[in-house]
Amino acid sequence: EAGVTQFPSHSVIEKGQTVTLRCDPISGHDNLYWYRRVMGKEIKFLLHFVKESKQDESGMPNNRFLAERTGGTYSTLKVQPAELEDSGVYFCASRPAGDYGYTFGSGTRLTVV
Amino acid sequence: AQSVTQPDIHITVSEGASLELRCNYSYGATPYLFWYVQSPGQGLQLLLKYFSGDTLVQGIKGFEAEFKRSQSSFNLRKPSVHWSDAAEYFCAVDLNNNDMRFGAGTRLTVKP
Repeated sequence: EAGVTQFPSHSVIEKGQTVTLRCDPISGHDNLYWYRRVMGKEIKFLLHFVKESKQDESGMPNNRFLAERTGGTYSTLKVQPAELEDSGVYFCASRPAGDYGYTFGSGTRLTVV
Repeated sequence: AQSVTQPDIHITVSEGASLELRCNYSYGATPYLFWYVQSPGQGLQLLLKYFSGDTLVQGIKGFEAEFKRSQSSFNLRKPSVHWSDAAEYFCAVDLNNNDMRFGAGTRLTVKP
């Protein structure tokens, strides 16, 4: 079974540019989560999809962040325009319905310069 | 405020020595509890989890953790550390099957 795949693994962009991160969850996992770890601090929840619907987006820091999960398969997280404080590691996780078995991807390290 | 606390930012142990990583949570109810490990360049790997029942849970790679309700703690232990255990360890809780809350992480260095 393929795991949760994230790409790119690293991205370096200039302040003001746009970046799109992608997450491919495990096939059949209805639940998809985005998390972020900034500057070695704790890993913080961003949002949760159930299939294509946003179940909870209370962790999204501001309206520069836009997450989508069209068709309930892969998800994208767009940052537009990127700011210096957006630098960090963005993790995606997926989980089947009714199961607490979260599977995390390797993360995307975003550096905004 | 609801939180997950890992009081040790960095721990160094000698190879073969025992290890205990601390985790405390502050929530009204007993959450589901997890320990994850992240090795350099890798994703978060689940070591073990506690939902209910026996308060001593066994995980992968020889790790175990003990849930102590009275102390709101879920400390991770290993009797003999290997050099390959050097990584960052995260304690996490899940309150309602909605999202997971993480501690700040403890970085483990293993001395030869």
